[in-house]
Amino acid sequence: EVQLLESGGDLGQPGGSLRLSCAASGLTFSSHAMSWVRQAPGKGLEWVSAISGSGGSTYYADSVMGRFTISRDNSKNTLYLQMNSLRVEDTAMYYCAKGSGDYASGSYYDYWGQGTLVTVSS
Amino acid sequence: DIQMTQSPSTLSASVGDRVTITCRASQSIRSWLAWYQQKPGKAPKLLISKASSLESGVPSRFSGSGSGTEFTLTISSLQPDDFATYYCQQYNSYYSFGQGTKLESK
Repeated sequence: EVQLLESGGDLGQPGGSLRLSCAASGLTFSSHAMSWVRQAPGKGLEWVSAISGSGGSTYYADSVMGRFTISRDNSKNTLYLQMNSLRVEDTAMYYCAKGSGDYASGSYYDYWGQGTLVTVSS
Repeated sequence: DIQMTQSPSTLSASVGDRVTITCRASQSIRSWLAWYQQKPGKAPKLLISKASSLESGVPSRFSGSGSGTEFTLTISSLQPDDFATYYCQQYNSYYSFGQGTKLESK
């Protein structure tokens, strides 16, 4: 059974940094693209970033480009999101999601984690 | 960027009703569209991929159709467990979601 477990969500300061992790099990991790999707309180889903199975291709939403970095360690079956220059509008539940294929673009999400909450406030 | 627009934003219906949610893309996404169901406090759940391919384990009362820029999700006979928020997502060019449709009990 595929399981995705996010961690690292916390209260962060504007301009500060946080690092999210997503530990995966029950799948051949390196064969699947992975993404981060966020949901602000009471709002809809927003795609944040995606990474190919090998880690060689990455994509970002305009709203986080240059501030967030997605990465993965296939030896540890773990996905990361380094969040720098945090803004109040980054406050959201952050979900990691497994892509149906190994390309960073062109996969739907067949498994989701339970989410980790990031709150940015002074 | 491809914009996804769902309608309606809120839908009131009763158990047994047939309901349809529409999703429109700002440009052609061929059939690269997925539908998700989300309940309060829970992660989204995949229902349909490639516009009309029902995910394993999803009840057959759910169906999807469309291609190009216009898509629909239909629930043939609404059940109590179906009251939730539904999102469409394009994965033709990067990714984007519709704003969601909240299906509530009339």
